[in-house]
Amino acid sequence: QVQLVQSGAEVKKPGASVKVSCKVSGYTLTELSMHWVRQAPGKGLEWMGGFDPEDGETIYAQKFQGRVTMTEDTSTDTAYMELSSLRSEDTAVYYCATIAAAGGWFDPWGQGTLVTVSS
Amino acid sequence: QSALTQPRSVSGSPGQSVTISCTGTSSDVGGYNYVSWYQQHPGKAPKLMIYDVSKRPSGVPDRFSGSKSGNTASLTISGLQAEDEADYYCCSYAGSYTFAFNYVFGTGTKVTVL
Repeated sequence: QVQLVQSGAEVKKPGASVKVSCKVSGYTLTELSMHWVRQAPGKGLEWMGGFDPEDGETIYAQKFQGRVTMTEDTSTDTAYMELSSLRSEDTAVYYCATIAAAGGWFDPWGQGTLVTVSS
Repeated sequence: QSALTQPRSVSGSPGQSVTISCTGTSSDVGGYNYVSWYQQHPGKAPKLMIYDVSKRPSGVPDRFSGSKSGNTASLTISGLQAEDEADYYCCSYAGSYTFAFNYVFGTGTKVTVL
């Protein structure tokens, strides 16, 4: 079965960038469609983007376009999410999660990575 | 695109049933049979409970069920148990090409077991 293990917590200053990793085991990354979801403290889940297997492209939520980059290293089965120009509102737990096909459900999820943006 | 609308909270006594609604539009919930539901306990990652509107993954108790009518999906928990107390989120596929993004989550509902 698929397991996702994320990198550890990060503390960044406003204006900086953060890169969160998500290591896949049990399957290869090429067999999965990786997505990223974040959750601000006390708030709901927010889809950031991911690989759309229907058109073979990575799609970003409009809110994050221009600031987020999602990449994959298939040699290590590791996915990355980099968010730039950080501001305090980006303080959140960032989750990676996979879908098996277009329109599919998110399962499983990584354990989450807390990113704190503070001066 | 706005988040799907869920009630802020629902509650019930052990053994009772509760239903959580999830209202979207014809561009998401009403347009696809790709609604999923997630349970989240404090400090934990979300867990898939229902997919494709009404299907249960292996290991999820059959007291959890899902349905959809028009632009509104619903999650029903029958025979409420203490461990069901958690936050629940719906999620819908919203297509691609036409929209800037293709998944939207609900606002979340806290289920309290009295």
